[in-house]
Amino acid sequence: DAKTTQPPSMDCAEGRAANLPCNHSTISGNEYVYWYRQIHSQGPQYIIHGLKNNETNEMASLIITEDRKSSTLILPHATLRDTAVYYCIVRLNSGGSNYKLTFGKGTLLTVNP
Amino acid sequence: NAGVTQTPKFQVLKTGQSMTLQCAQDMNHEYMSWYRQDPGMGLRLIHYSVGAGITDQGEVPNGYNVSRSTTEDFPLRLLSAAPSQTSVYFCASRAGRHQETQYFGPGTRLLVL
Repeated sequence: DAKTTQPPSMDCAEGRAANLPCNHSTISGNEYVYWYRQIHSQGPQYIIHGLKNNETNEMASLIITEDRKSSTLILPHATLRDTAVYYCIVRLNSGGSNYKLTFGKGTLLTVNP
Repeated sequence: NAGVTQTPKFQVLKTGQSMTLQCAQDMNHEYMSWYRQDPGMGLRLIHYSVGAGITDQGEVPNGYNVSRSTTEDFPLRLLSAAPSQTSVYFCASRAGRHQETQYFGPGTRLLVL
């Protein structure tokens, strides 16, 4: 399984873009990069995922480097409600275990007023 | 749609007691799973199911049983509660093998004395 490395914490000013990095240097060619977040005392929430191309949805943008060894989640205009732990996950892709998402320790993003 | 629901939200047990954590989803999802979340440990998979009548073990199955008699419900049973099972439990579902997004319930906070 490809492992991910994220900074333990980051700060961002309200209204500014939050750029959350993730390293996944051992990712294999058919593994996706997922981002979830967990607001305090709630269940994890899906944000976005991608394989090779950059992706954008109503919540965020995902930028994946050409060699796929790292990615960045971008929240374009962070709000106080975006304060959460953000998890970068590489999807397991080995036979019957593709049900599973392995959550690491993530990055605690604190959005400051 | 209510999404994924879990009951109870909070429970206190004495060592040796048994109980069932309930999980239900109304999205007709094939895949359901149970995770536990402990400080500094991230989310760990307990059991999962790929459809009604089919269940399998995850990373930390000991002390827990599951069954999947219907598509909607996936209860988690603690046979004889131990203090080591004090944790926050999350149920999740996703549509199927090629559907990547998992939807999580709000969690059940369990304290075993």
